[in-house]
Amino acid sequence: QKEVEQNSGPLSVPEGAIASLNCTYSDRGSQSFFWYRQYSGKSPELIMFIYSNGDKEDGRFTAQLNKASQYVSLLIRDSQPSDSATYLCAGRGATGGFKTIFGAGTRLFVKA
Amino acid sequence: DAGITQSPRHKVTETGTPVTLRCHQTENHRYMYWYRQDPGHGLRLIHYSYGVKDTDKGEVSDGYSVSRSKTEDFLLTLESATSSQTSVYFCAISESTGTGASTDTQYFGPGTRLTVL
Repeated sequence: QKEVEQNSGPLSVPEGAIASLNCTYSDRGSQSFFWYRQYSGKSPELIMFIYSNGDKEDGRFTAQLNKASQYVSLLIRDSQPSDSATYLCAGRGATGGFKTIFGAGTRLFVKA
Repeated sequence: DAGITQSPRHKVTETGTPVTLRCHQTENHRYMYWYRQDPGHGLRLIHYSYGVKDTDKGEVSDGYSVSRSKTEDFLLTLESATSSQTSVYFCAISESTGTGASTDTQYFGPGTRLTVL
C-alpha cells in the first residue's frame, strides 16, 4: 500500500514565524510531489509542485524534496493568520497508473 | 481558477436511494477524477477517467459507478446510498498523468457535501 504520511497537527506558530510542514512517502518510485492548501469548507488549491531533489521557492513558500530520505517539506516564511488552513501533501508515482496519493493533511494555526 | 463546477453542492438523501453527482469542466482536460474526503483519511480516489467512455477504479470504488459520455462531464452514481457514503465529494481534473509535474497537477472543483440518513 503506497502511503503519504503527514502529522495531523495542529501546528501552531506566531505571526511572522516560519512554519515547517513535513511529509514522508513510502513509494520510492514517486516522481512528483504537490502541496495543496485547504481552508475549512473549501476545496484544495495548489500551492506548488516539486519533482527534483533540493529546494524550490515561490514567494513566501519553499518546497524541499529529499528522495533518498523519501521526505518532502513545505516552509512558509513570514506566516500570516490567513495562512491558517490544512496543508495536503501528495505524491504521484511511476506505478499504479500514475495515481496521486494524498496525505491526510496538517492543520496549521498562525496566531496574531 | 480552473473552470470546474459540481452539482449539487449539498444533498441530503435517505439510505437506499440512488444519487448522481455531476462534475463539469470547461478546460478540455483529458483526465477527470472523483475523490471523497473524510476526517482522518484525506482524499481517497473513487474512480477516474482518462477519456470519453474510458474509466477505471480507484482505491474506494465499491458502491460507486461513473460515466463519461462527453469530455466536459463526469458523473458519479451511488446506486443505493448507505450512511458510510456520507462524505464530501471532490471532482478534479488534469491535463495529463505521468508526463510532468506541471501538466499532471490536479485542480479541484468546489465539492459536494452528501449526507445519507
